Amino acid sequence: NAGVMQNPRHLVRRRGQEARLRCSPMKGHSHVYWYRQLPEEGLKFMVYLQKENIIDESGMPKERFSAEFPKEGPSILRIQQVVRGDSAAYFCASSDKGAGEFEQFFGPGTRLTVL
Amino acid sequence: GENVEQHPSTLSVQEGDSAVIKCTYSDSASNYFPWYKQELGKRPQLIIDIRSNVGEKKDQRIAVTLNKTAKHFSLHITETQPEDSAVYFCAATSNTGGFKTIFGAGTRLFVKA
Repeated sequence: NAGVMQNPRHLVRRRGQEARLRCSPMKGHSHVYWYRQLPEEGLKFMVYLQKENIIDESGMPKERFSAEFPKEGPSILRIQQVVRGDSAAYFCASSDKGAGEFEQFFGPGTRLTVL
Repeated sequence: GENVEQHPSTLSVQEGDSAVIKCTYSDSASNYFPWYKQELGKRPQLIIDIRSNVGEKKDQRIAVTLNKTAKHFSLHITETQPEDSAVYFCAATSNTGGFKTIFGAGTRLFVKA
C-alpha cells in the first residue's frame, strides 16, 4: 500500500511565477491536509479538504493561494505570483477519517525555493 | 486564536536517560493530541496519540499524559537511544469552528551516546 505521494519533491521558481504542488493521498483516504514548514519551525496548518470540498481553509493566505481536491486525481496546492517568503517545505497529509481527529499520514514534502 | 506552546525548544540527554517534552493548548474544545517525530529532511511520523477521554497512554518506551483541566500534555521517552534524536512536535485538534490541527513549534532532542 503506497504511502502519501507528493510531487515534485523540489521546485524552484522565480518571483512572479506559479507553483503547483501535487499530493496523492494513501489509497482509501478521502481527507487531505496541507501544511507549510519554514526552516527550523513547526508545521502551520493551511487547509483541510475532502473530495471536491474545502472544509477548513482558515490557515491559507487570502491571496495567491488556492487548493483543490477533485473527484479524480491528486490534491493541488497552487501558489500564484510566488514571492521569496513562499520558500518553504509544503507537506500534505491524509487520513481515512476526518476532522483531524485521526492519524494523519504525511507525504515526503515539496521543497519550494523562490529565487 | 488557537495556540499550542511546546517546551523546551532544545533538549539534550545522555543515552539511557529519560526525556520529557511538555505542551499546553488554548482551545478547551481540543480532543485529540498526536505527537510526531521528524528526522532531518524527512516527513513527520506519528509516534503516539491520545484522546481527551484518556489520561495516559503508553507504548513501550514512549508514554503520553494529558491533563484536560490544566490543558497540558506531555511526552515521556524512557531509556533514550541515539536513534531517538530528532525533532518532536505535539499537536492539538479541535472540531469547533473548523477542523484544523495546531502544531507546537517543536523540540529538538539530542541523545548523546
